[in-house]
Amino acid sequence: QKEVEQDPGPLSVPEGAIVSLNCTYSNSAFQYFMWYRQYSRKGPELLMYTYSSGNKEDGRFTAQVDKSSKYISLFIRDSQPSDSATYLCAMSANAGGTSYGKLTFGQGTILTVHP
Amino acid sequence: NAGVTQTPKFQVLKTGQSMTLQCAQDMNHNSMYWYRQDPGMGLRLIYYSASEGTTDKGEVPNGYNVSRLNKREFSLRLESAAPSQTSVYFCASSDHSGARTDTQYFGPGTRLTVL
Repeated sequence: QKEVEQDPGPLSVPEGAIVSLNCTYSNSAFQYFMWYRQYSRKGPELLMYTYSSGNKEDGRFTAQVDKSSKYISLFIRDSQPSDSATYLCAMSANAGGTSYGKLTFGQGTILTVHP
Repeated sequence: NAGVTQTPKFQVLKTGQSMTLQCAQDMNHNSMYWYRQDPGMGLRLIYYSASEGTTDKGEVPNGYNVSRLNKREFSLRLESAAPSQTSVYFCASSDHSGARTDTQYFGPGTRLTVL
């Protein structure tokens, strides 16, 4: 069983829809949670960063973390064709000091928003 | 700032050939990483360098070697390429001196095909 599981999709939605992307994980030591967005033939770029449980909002994007259920979500409101990309969740158990921030990634979900 | 740069962008090798993928970052980051990305597998860590002068194996190190040439540069070498190493390779860097210590910044990738 992978440490981080993510439904690879693909997911196809109409413009304006609310999109929900999810990851589950098994390592209870994870405490830093990230969502990366990757456009076709490009490198991943950080979209959202959250620490521990709770919600974080940034414009049309909301990240939720439920550590008790080992479940994280990314919501996209009023989705746009420009949101079409692969979304990867990533997690880390440590940070800071001399320790390096090893990330464990999900498989990525391919999202297409059609006009 | 260019961020993270990778060369070459594309490469085709024959089985048994060797090559070195180059990566450089201009963000003065301490840590650098090499990943491979295969369909349905997400990003898998090959090697990382927590700081200049140190390197360690990641999840899938077999068939690869790395060199942290200086703080800016981190190269990945395939000594005897195999078709199983056909993949997209990403280099990333991160800094552990700030609050968002696990944020990794990715290069544009190298698309490698081994025939």
